[in-house]
Amino acid sequence: EAEVAQSPRYKITEKSQAVAFWCDPISGHATLYWYRQILGQGPELLVQFQDESVVDDSQLPKDRFSAERLKGVDSTLKIQPAELGDSAMYLCASSLMGQSYEQYFGPGTRLTVT
Amino acid sequence: AQKITQTQPGMFVQEKEAVTLDCTYDTSDQSYGLFWYKQPSSGEMIFLIYQGSYDEQNATEGRYSLNFQKARKSANLVISASQLGDSAMYFCAMREGLGAGNMLTFGGGTRLMVKP
Repeated sequence: EAEVAQSPRYKITEKSQAVAFWCDPISGHATLYWYRQILGQGPELLVQFQDESVVDDSQLPKDRFSAERLKGVDSTLKIQPAELGDSAMYLCASSLMGQSYEQYFGPGTRLTVT
Repeated sequence: AQKITQTQPGMFVQEKEAVTLDCTYDTSDQSYGLFWYKQPSSGEMIFLIYQGSYDEQNATEGRYSLNFQKARKSANLVISASQLGDSAMYFCAMREGLGAGNMLTFGGGTRLMVKP
């Protein structure tokens, strides 16, 4: 069964360092999402791509976060510099186009900033 | 205002019994979709069930059913015959509008614990 791949699964970094996460969606899924999930809360959307274009990045802290999906397939989310409050689970999801299609989530990257 | 509200932070259920997890939503759109996801301690989000705003029948998927009451804006998840493996966080989510790939807004989740 096709899955969304993410790496790394766990990342520990010191504050002020740069960190990057990678996501490979299910083949054929045009829409890709990055979510941040703080412990004990539901996921919150950071950025949504349709193919290689950003559809929604209104919740992305653009002073330190960046995201790209250059060829409309895999995607990278970067944080520079990392802050203590960035400690969270970063989830990637993908879906087919269409309102009724569910989003398939990857296993997530658990980030700890020390 | 919260778009998705899950009022039960945690719930216990006896194995083999049914349990209802509450979810209320707020939207002014006529077209929207409601989703339930399960998140075990390992962290991955697992899709359980979907209900469209125009669907007249309540959605069902195996032991999962969605009690959709449109006028009350509620979309409760019912799990029948609970199993130990059902212990997890459960999130209700909503997608608004007709646009393809619209974002999901999640509730705060309910932690379900199944007792043997």
